[in-house]
Amino acid sequence: DVKVTQSSRYLVKRTGEKVFLECVQDMDHENMFWYRQDPGLGLRLIYFSYDVKMKEKGDIPEGYSVSREKKERFSLILESASTNQTSMYLCASTLDSRTRGNGYTFGSGTRLTVV
Amino acid sequence: GEDVEQSLFLSVREGDSSVINCTYTDSSSTYLYWYKQEPGAGLQLLTYIFSNMDMKQDQRLTVLLNKKDKHLSLRIADTQTGDSAIYFCAERLVGGSYIPTFGRGTSLIVHP
Repeated sequence: DVKVTQSSRYLVKRTGEKVFLECVQDMDHENMFWYRQDPGLGLRLIYFSYDVKMKEKGDIPEGYSVSREKKERFSLILESASTNQTSMYLCASTLDSRTRGNGYTFGSGTRLTVV
Repeated sequence: GEDVEQSLFLSVREGDSSVINCTYTDSSSTYLYWYKQEPGAGLQLLTYIFSNMDMKQDQRLTVLLNKKDKHLSLRIADTQTGDSAIYFCAERLVGGSYIPTFGRGTSLIVHP
């Protein structure tokens, strides 16, 4: 089974800190994603990457950046954490392409609290 | 663009069948997915169906697709307390972006 591993389940950070959320997948998937999940708002796409060193903005990229130096690892960076970035962050990966649709594999999530 | 709608809550008694509904907007060839999210966890892919199919069954799960009404349902037979979770419907166009559109999720509450 494909595994997507997020490095932390829970994080508490202070306002203004630089925060790194790490995600690693073990099945050679080209595509990786970062979502945040908030009550009542569902899943919102922050950034995604379809190849090493490639990145695309999702629906809510402001205040975030990403890094993909290796195929298996996709990092989400909060440049200067703010309280409105308190959320559940979900990483996902997929082999899906424009014509193949087997779905995503998600990590267990990181619940980030910014105080 | 694509839009996926789900009701927010469903409450059922243990042992009954649950039916979770979803409507989508796109009429092109599309993949349709059901994901399950248990409390404090990520999403888990349960099943998916291609839009040229009417039905797919996998143990206690039955997916029904009504293409004319653009309506997708997930039926869980003999619902157990372990089925309590949020269920997300998602749609993805074939040949379009490989990023799906997710519904907001239906919270299934199973009570004794």
